[in-house]
Parts: sequence; C-alpha cells; structure tokens
Amino acid sequence: DIHMTQSPSSLSASVGDRVTLTCRASQDIRNSLAWYQQKPGKAPKVVVYAASRLASGVPSRFNGSGSGTDHTLTISSLQTEDFATYYCQQYYSTLITFGQGTRLEIK
Amino acid sequence: QVQLVQSGAEVKKPGSSVKVSCKASGGTSTSLTVSWVRQAPGHGLEWLGRIVPFLNIITYAEKFEGRLTLTADKSTTTVYMDLSSLRSDDTAVYYCAGDVNWFDPWGQGTRVTVSS
Repeated sequence: DIHMTQSPSSLSASVGDRVTLTCRASQDIRNSLAWYQQKPGKAPKVVVYAASRLASGVPSRFNGSGSGTDHTLTISSLQTEDFATYYCQQYYSTLITFGQGTRLEIK
Repeated sequence: QVQLVQSGAEVKKPGSSVKVSCKASGGTSTSLTVSWVRQAPGHGLEWLGRIVPFLNIITYAEKFEGRLTLTADKSTTTVYMDLSSLRSDDTAVYYCAGDVNWFDPWGQGTRVTVSS
C-alpha cells in the first residue's frame, strides 16, 4: 500500500494567516491526490482533487499544488470557517489510502 | 445532484455482524461507484473497499478481506456493507461515499458500536 504522511499533525494559526499543509506519499502518485476538510461530527468534504483542482464551491483562498511524492494545501487568508481537520488521500493505487490528518486550530 | 442516505446507528456484540445500507438518489445514482470509509473515535479516515454496481466489480482493502462484503441492489440504488466477526476496534462511524477516484458526495455516517 502507498503510505501517506501529513505534516504537521496540528497547527495553531490566527484568522488572516497564510498556512501550508504538507502531504508526502511513499511513492510517486503523479497528481492523483485529493484533500478533504472535516469538522467535528460531520462527514469530510472534498476541497481539492487532482492535486490542484478546486472542488465546486470551494473558495479561491484554497490552493493545492504538487506532483510526484510531495503535495501541499495552502490557505492564503484563514477564515473562521476554515478551522478543521484536513486529510489527504491518494487514488493512484486502486487501494485507497489517507494521511493521518492535520488539525488546524485557532490560536 | 446525487445524495447518499445511510441507515441508522447500530450496537453489536463482539463476534456478530453488522449490515449498513447506503441509498443513492438524484443525479446519476444508477451508475455510481461507492466506497466505504470508516473513522474510529478520535482517529483518521480508513478506506474499507469499493463497489461498482453496474459492472459488479468489488475491491476490498487487504485488511478487511474475508470479513467485509459489499453488495448492491440496482433496482433500489442501494449498496450494503456487511462486516462480520466484529471486534471492539471496529467501533467507528462508517461512511459511504461516491467514488470518482476522490470521494464526493458522502453519506451522513452510521455509528457502529461494538460492545459486550
């Protein structure tokens, strides 16, 4: 299985900050990567797919980039509603794997 | 636009089985590939497997081979997840999700508690 490692595990930031979340795959996954946002008690919601394509309705302050093994999700100016846990997911392999998540908290 | 609605919470004894349903409606629900993902309390997301109902293709994560059965009723656009030989560490919220490589949309989740 392809192992996905996210960093940091948690991050404290303030409204208006720019933050970057990182996801590293154990092998080349090209651009076969999605990012999800999950709030407590809710199902995850896709934010980015194909490494850099914003899902429908996602604000333009979200930006996904990367190819190969290293991928990032940047939020350019944090808003209150962005504080959540973010997961990356590879779909290069038919056997899907997720990263362990990055919890984004209000400072 | 496809919506996925799951069955309600379950409490099961260790060693028993649980069957969770996921009904698709709207949009192209008749051709939807569905994956199942679970989340144990305080933990991350774990993929269990995928079913392509219109081709009858099923893929299981290696960890769940032999214990997990995914089925579909095309007439009602409902897919089912059956997990057997339940253990306490199977306690989790189980989600179905539309699988287009990434997952969208998601069902609301079904809490399964395994306790003696």
